[in-house]
Amino acid sequence: EDQVTQSPEALRLQEGESSSLNCSYTVSGLRGLFWYRQDPGKGPEFLFTLYSAGEEKEKERLKATLTKKESFLHITAPKPEDSATYLCAVQSTIQGAQKLVFGQGTRLTINP
Amino acid sequence: NAGVTQTPKFQVLKTGQSMTLQCAQDMNHEYMSWYRQDPGMGLRLIHYSVGAGITDQGEVPNGYNVSRSTTEDFPLRLLSAAPSQTSVYFCASTPGYYGYTFGSGTRLTVV
Repeated sequence: EDQVTQSPEALRLQEGESSSLNCSYTVSGLRGLFWYRQDPGKGPEFLFTLYSAGEEKEKERLKATLTKKESFLHITAPKPEDSATYLCAVQSTIQGAQKLVFGQGTRLTINP
Repeated sequence: NAGVTQTPKFQVLKTGQSMTLQCAQDMNHEYMSWYRQDPGMGLRLIHYSVGAGITDQGEVPNGYNVSRSTTEDFPLRLLSAAPSQTSVYFCASTPGYYGYTFGSGTRLTVV
């Protein structure tokens, strides 16, 4: 059974304090690993897709990396507007594009 | 380009009532899905569709029905609402080779 575990559940940082969020996964053949951002009361917003170990993607202060067992979302010099819940999800080669398996998310708070 | 549109945004139902959550996308995506989000449980797949006329069950399908008569629309029907169906419901779509686009959600309370 495909599984995704995110840690920590919640993270509080000061503005400018860099850190990383972890996403550990087990999947029967990785088709893709996805990172989403979710603001309170809104739907998940797509950030990145990673397809193979060693791949990296960047967007502003965010950088996502992928190994065979986990993905990291690095946040560099965060600002208060980066506060949100960050969700990780995987697709397997068996299930295909029709199914995403999500982790429970990391709630990130950036204090000014 | 509206993306994925869900209606209503909020709904309160009495136990035993039925209703339909609407979902429409204007991106010509083949794949559409319904998820529910509960505290501490993450997003869980209810039903999905890989194209017009084709639907299948996800992880938590009991108590829900779907149909896909057009590429654009994918309504979710609650047959007889129960308090356990109190949740936030998200519709999502993808062309298949990219990340899903999610709607803004429907917050449902069953009393």
